[in-house]
Amino acid sequence: RKEVEQDPGPFNVPEGATVAFNCTYSNSASQSFFWYRQDCRKEPKLLMSVYSSGNEDGRFTAQLNRASQYISLLIRDSKLSDSATYLCVVNIHDMRFGAGTRLTVKP
Amino acid sequence: DADVTQTPRNRITKTGKRIMLECSQTKGHDRMYWYRQDPGLGLQLIYYSFDVKDINKGEISDGYSVSRQAQAKFSLSLESAIPNQTALYFCATSDFPGQPNTGELFFGEGSRLTVL
Repeated sequence: RKEVEQDPGPFNVPEGATVAFNCTYSNSASQSFFWYRQDCRKEPKLLMSVYSSGNEDGRFTAQLNRASQYISLLIRDSKLSDSATYLCVVNIHDMRFGAGTRLTVKP
Repeated sequence: DADVTQTPRNRITKTGKRIMLECSQTKGHDRMYWYRQDPGLGLQLIYYSFDVKDINKGEISDGYSVSRQAQAKFSLSLESAIPNQTALYFCATSDFPGQPNTGELFFGEGSRLTVL
């Protein structure tokens, strides 16, 4: 079993839709959590860190549930520019990635 | 200039050749990482280093070796390249994950390697 698992996707949604991604991790000692965004053939870039109390950045909300060992990312009012692959990252001792979930937002 | 620089950006080589991918950073981070990305598989950790004297194997280290020449430099070698090592390789750096640092990763632009 992989250390970090994500929804396989792909997600194809219309503009304005709300979309949620989930990610589970296997090591309860995991210390920090992130969502990264990756555009085609580009390097991943930090979208947001995920804090225990949950955190929001504009249209993006991240949640952490330590008891169930999952993190989530909610995107509201999705834009065409949100089309990308979203990667869940967990710091166990090193930094481990989920396989990523591809999102396509259509007009 | 980019904070994390990878060279070469693209390389085509033949089976059995030795290849080195180089990474340098100007962020002053102690931690450096090498990942490979295959379509649909996300990023898999090859090796990581928390300081010059610390080298650790990741998920898929077989067939690879690394050298941490200095705090700012971390190179990845394929001693005898094989076709299934064809992939996009990323170097990344991070600070220690403790307040005020988040420990986030900063990536180079990637090195696309094709082994024929």
